[in-house]
Amino acid sequence: EADIYQTPRYLVIGTGKKITLECSQTMGHDKMYWYQQDPGMELHLIHYSYGVNSTEKGDLSSESTVSRIRTEHFPLTLESARPSHTSQYLCASSEYPGGLGVEEQFFGPGTRLTVL
Amino acid sequence: GDSVTQMEGPVTLSEEAFLTINCTYTATGYPSLFWYVQYPGEGLQLLLKATKADDKGSNKGFEATYRKETTSFHLEKGSVQVSDSAVYFCVHGSSNTGKLIFGQGTTLQVKP
Repeated sequence: EADIYQTPRYLVIGTGKKITLECSQTMGHDKMYWYQQDPGMELHLIHYSYGVNSTEKGDLSSESTVSRIRTEHFPLTLESARPSHTSQYLCASSEYPGGLGVEEQFFGPGTRLTVL
Repeated sequence: GDSVTQMEGPVTLSEEAFLTINCTYTATGYPSLFWYVQYPGEGLQLLLKATKADDKGSNKGFEATYRKETTSFHLEKGSVQVSDSAVYFCVHGSSNTGKLIFGQGTTLQVKP
């Protein structure tokens, strides 16, 4: 079944640790995205990719980095986590639209990160 | 710039009540419009979409009509159920950038 996966679902770590949030999709989509969502708030785009070896920064500045070595995999890394990074991180993917309009995005379940 | 404004929550309704969640947008160009839903503990799911003016999106009893003249995309359902309790996001897909712009979300709680 085609889907989009994120691991871990929940992560509690101490300040200064390096972490990687995993995101994989089995739909063969070229476009992938990372969003940050604080409780009760809208989503903010922090990174996106149009395909392998393509990465771009989103609208919200983030200290995280991403890589896209394989089509299906789009991990997000924080080199040194801080309490200000506490948030929910959502990964999404989409394919290029065949006609008019903007394509829908398919979302993973999210990773809730808490940095102590 | 492009933006989305939606009705503030939380919205609390009794089962079988009529639901309206207002959404307006500002845009350059011709955006696509979406409603996404986030059930407790789950990721976002597309609820419905409309790609051009006067299009009506519908799914699971929910409807929304793309109104260019009022720049609105209000979500409606005639009879809500407890299982509809979730956070609803109005989303604008920019035809200029291809990016999605999210409203702040409206929490709906339906009581039996």
